[in-house]
Amino acid sequence: DIQMTQSPSTLSASVGDRVTITCRASQSIDNLLAWYQQRPGKAPKVLIYKASNLKSGVPSRFSGSGSGTEFTLTISGLQPDDSATYYCHQYRGDYTWTFGQGTKVEIK
Amino acid sequence: EVQLVESGGGLVQPGGSLRLSCAATGFTFSNFWMSWVRQAPGKGLEWVANIKQDESERYYVDSVKGRFTTSRDNAKNSGYLQMNSLRVEDTGVYFCARYQLPFYGMDVWGQGTAVTVSS
Repeated sequence: DIQMTQSPSTLSASVGDRVTITCRASQSIDNLLAWYQQRPGKAPKVLIYKASNLKSGVPSRFSGSGSGTEFTLTISGLQPDDSATYYCHQYRGDYTWTFGQGTKVEIK
Repeated sequence: EVQLVESGGGLVQPGGSLRLSCAATGFTFSNFWMSWVRQAPGKGLEWVANIKQDESERYYVDSVKGRFTTSRDNAKNSGYLQMNSLRVEDTGVYFCARYQLPFYGMDVWGQGTAVTVSS
């Protein structure tokens, strides 16, 4: 099974900061990776698919990059509304999916 | 409004069974794959199962194989997760979500239904 390792598990940043979250796969997943945002008590929301494609309606301050085993989600100009937990999600492996363990983003 | 609504959660003893439902409105349910994703209290997301539009393909995380079965009824615009031989570690909120291939993300999710397995 493909394991996904996210880092950091928690980060604290100020409004306007550039924030980067990393996700590493235990084997190559090409670019078959998505990113989700989840606010407390809510369902996840897809931000990025195929590693770097911004889902329609998602603010352009969110961007994704990477391929193979290393991926990043960047928030350029952190906003108060971005306080949430972010998950990477691989959909490459043998018809079984895995999520990263999540990164909680807090606003200072 | 495009929506998925889960139901059927509750408290069940270890070894018991529950059937979760996921009702779709506002879109053509039969055009989409469906997923089940769960979240243990205070923990991260865990993919549980996927089912193709015509039920010809179903996939499960190893920890539920042989115990959970995903199905759907396109005429009723509904999906289901039959959960048998439940374990304490199955406790959590269960979400259903839709997606299409090529994959553009699970773009519509339900609000989740809580399952508690406890004696």
